[in-house]
Order: sequence, then C-alpha cells, then structure tokens
Amino acid sequence: DIQMTQSPSSLSASVGDRVTITCQASQDISNYLNWYQQKPGKAPKLLIYDASNLETGVPSRFSGSGSGTDFTFTISSLQPEDIATYYCQQYDNHLTFGGGTKVEIK
Amino acid sequence: QVQLVQSGAEVKKPGASVKVSCKASGYTFTSYYMHWVRQAPGQGLEWMGIINPSGGSTSYAQKLQGRVTMTRDTSTSTVYMELSSLRSEDTAVYYCARKGQAVGLGYWGQGTLVTVSS
Repeated sequence: DIQMTQSPSSLSASVGDRVTITCQASQDISNYLNWYQQKPGKAPKLLIYDASNLETGVPSRFSGSGSGTDFTFTISSLQPEDIATYYCQQYDNHLTFGGGTKVEIK
Repeated sequence: QVQLVQSGAEVKKPGASVKVSCKASGYTFTSYYMHWVRQAPGQGLEWMGIINPSGGSTSYAQKLQGRVTMTRDTSTSTVYMELSSLRSEDTAVYYCARKGQAVGLGYWGQGTLVTVSS
C-alpha cells in the first residue's frame, strides 16, 4: 500500500499569512494527488486535483504543486473561512489519505 | 444536481454487522464508480473500497478484506456497504463519495455515524 505522510499535523497562522503544507508519498505517484478541505461536521471538499489543478469554484489563493513523491499545498493569504483540516490523497493505487493538517488562526 | 443521500445513524454491539445505504440521484447511476470512506472520531480519512455500479465489481482496502462487502441495486440507484464483526474501532462516520468533473472525489454523501458499543 502507498503511504502518505503529511506535515505539519497542525499549524497556527495569522490572517493574511502564507500557509504551506507538505505531503510525501512512499513511492512515485506521478501527479496522482488531490487535496481536500474538511470543516467540522462536514464532508471533505475537493480543492486541488492532479497535484496542481484548481477545482471549479475554488478561490485562487489555494494552490498545489509537486510530482513524484513530494507535494506542496499553499494558501497564499489565509482567510478566517479557511480554518479547517486539509488532507492530501493519492489515487495511483487505490486511494490513500494523508493524516491531515489542522489549520487554526493565531 | 448530483445527490448522495445516506441512511441514518446506527448503534451496534460488538460482533454485529451494519449495512449503510447511499442513494444516488441526478446522474446516470451506472456511469460512476462509488467509493466508501470512513472517519473515526477526531481522526483522519480512511478509504474502505470501491464498487462499480455497472457490473458490481468491487475492490477493498486490504485492512478490511473479509469484513466489508459493497453491493448495489441498479433499480433504486443505491449502493450499500456492509461491515461485519464490528468492534469499537469501527465507530466512525461512513461516507459514500464519487468522482466529480475532475479526478477527485467531488460529490459526497452527508455521512452516517455508526457507533459500536456494548
């Protein structure tokens, strides 16, 4: 099974800050990686697909990059509504999610 | 519009089985595979498996092999996930989800809380 290691597990940042989350796959997954946002009590929401493509309707302050085993998710200017937990997910072989990153406002 | 509507919360005793349903509407049921994902309280997301509603073929997470069964009823556009030999660690919210316009899981059910407790 492909393992996904996400870091950090939590972070605290100020409104307007740039926030970066990393995700590492245990083997080469090309660009078969998605990013989701999950707010408490809600189902996850797809933000980024194929490592770097913005899902329709998602604000442009969200972005993703990477390929192979190392991936990055960025919020260019953190907004209060971005408080949530973020997950990476590979789909090269079945699906595997990273452990999640809880983003809070400082 | 695409909708995935799941069955209600369940409380089960250890060793029992649970069957959760996910009724799809707003699209051609047999055109999209359906995934099941679960989330234990305060924990991350865990992929459980996938079913092809067209032919009924399935693929399950290795960890759940032998305990999970996914089926579908094309006459009602409903997929089912049955988990047997329940233990406390199976307490979680269970989601059905399918691909959206892009390759990710763009549509999700509302989730079904399954509580396993003696």
